[in-house]
Amino acid sequence: DAKTTQPPSMDCAEGRAANLPCNHSTISGNEYVYWYRQIHSQGPQYIIHGLKNNETNEMASLIITEDRKSSTLILPHATLRDTAVYYCIIPNDYKLSFGAGTTVTVRA
Amino acid sequence: DTAVSQTPKYLVTQMGNDKSIKCEQNLGHDTMYWYKQDSKKFLKIMFSYNNKELIINETVPNRFSPKSPDKAHLNLHINSLELGDSAVYFCASSATRLAGVYEQYFGPGTRLTVT
Repeated sequence: DAKTTQPPSMDCAEGRAANLPCNHSTISGNEYVYWYRQIHSQGPQYIIHGLKNNETNEMASLIITEDRKSSTLILPHATLRDTAVYYCIIPNDYKLSFGAGTTVTVRA
Repeated sequence: DTAVSQTPKYLVTQMGNDKSIKCEQNLGHDTMYWYKQDSKKFLKIMFSYNNKELIINETVPNRFSPKSPDKAHLNLHINSLELGDSAVYFCASSATRLAGVYEQYFGPGTRLTVT
């Protein structure tokens, strides 16, 4: 399984963009990058996924480097409700393996 | 219109008891999962069913037995509860199409406390 490395925590100012990095240097060519988040006391929530191209949806943007060894999740205008643990995952065998993730705290 | 629902939300019970947690999804998905999140907050998959067939069975004590009566339901029965079973249990579902199996929708969780 391709492993991911994320910083344990980061702060972000409300209204500013939050850029969450993830390293996945052992990713193979057909493996996707998935992002989830877990707000305190709630179930994890799917955010976005990508393979090679950059992706954008109503929640976030995902930028994947050309060599696919790292990616960045961008929350364009962070709000207090975006405070959560964010997980970068390279799934396979029908399994999502959640690591420690990045605890993002959005401050007013 | 809750997509993935679990009952109960909280469950407090004594060691040695048998308990069940129920999960239902109304998304029309054909794959369902059980995850366990322990006190250290790590979330680990336990089981997965696809069209009522068990496809993932991680290293879980056989006191835990999932049951899927139909595609929309996946229940978790736990026998002889132990203190270490205390955790939050999450149910999830997904559609098995292309990479859709990894776009999983989670329930609100069931907090199990064994005393």
